[in-house]
Amino acid sequence: NAGVTQTPKFRVLKTGQSMTLLCAQDMNHEYMYWYRQDPGMGLRLIHYSVGEGTTAKGEVPDGYNVSRLKKQNFLLGLESAAPSQTSVYFCASRFGLAASYNEQFFGPGTRLTVL
Amino acid sequence: QQQVKQSPQSLIVQKGGISIINCAYENTAFDYFPWYQQFPGKGPALLIAIRPDVSEKKEGRFTISFNKSAKQFSLHIMDSQPGDSATYFCAASWGSASKIIFGSGTRLSIRP
Repeated sequence: NAGVTQTPKFRVLKTGQSMTLLCAQDMNHEYMYWYRQDPGMGLRLIHYSVGEGTTAKGEVPDGYNVSRLKKQNFLLGLESAAPSQTSVYFCASRFGLAASYNEQFFGPGTRLTVL
Repeated sequence: QQQVKQSPQSLIVQKGGISIINCAYENTAFDYFPWYQQFPGKGPALLIAIRPDVSEKKEGRFTISFNKSAKQFSLHIMDSQPGDSATYFCAASWGSASKIIFGSGTRLSIRP
């Protein structure tokens, strides 16, 4: 099992450009999450999904859109990138509702720089 | 109310010593308190977690102490080793989607 994978690993954008970050998991997890990590601020939830075809806003959703067309994939889009979106982006997934399955599994991250 | 406050921001401990990281929360709806460990260039990984109905959980050299009345919890790393050098995040979770609120992180360095 590859676990949670993220594509690309690194990306540099110019202000106003768009891009899509891809997250894939092969663990048959129901829930998937997108976070951003900034120095001194921990990880903040951008959007999440509780199943195929569903999405919901997290703590910092502005400027981002997401889609979950397939259970194994969760896409994060930036329509018009801004320097404030320079960050490391992490995707995570979780099995389901049962209390013993609260653990989120994280991908390796995507380092995005917006100039 | 949704914040999890973590301290210290950075910590240096001698090899063999005890590392202690503290966290505090306000929201009594939180029902799951994980600690994540992150090495440079990697994603966070679950280290140990506790539910509010127990006061302590131990896994090897790692122990969570939980004080429900004070709304505080802490991570203790016994016999700290250089391989423990990493960033540690406390967190709190609630609700059916188990959204996690992370603390700001503690960068731990274990000196040989």
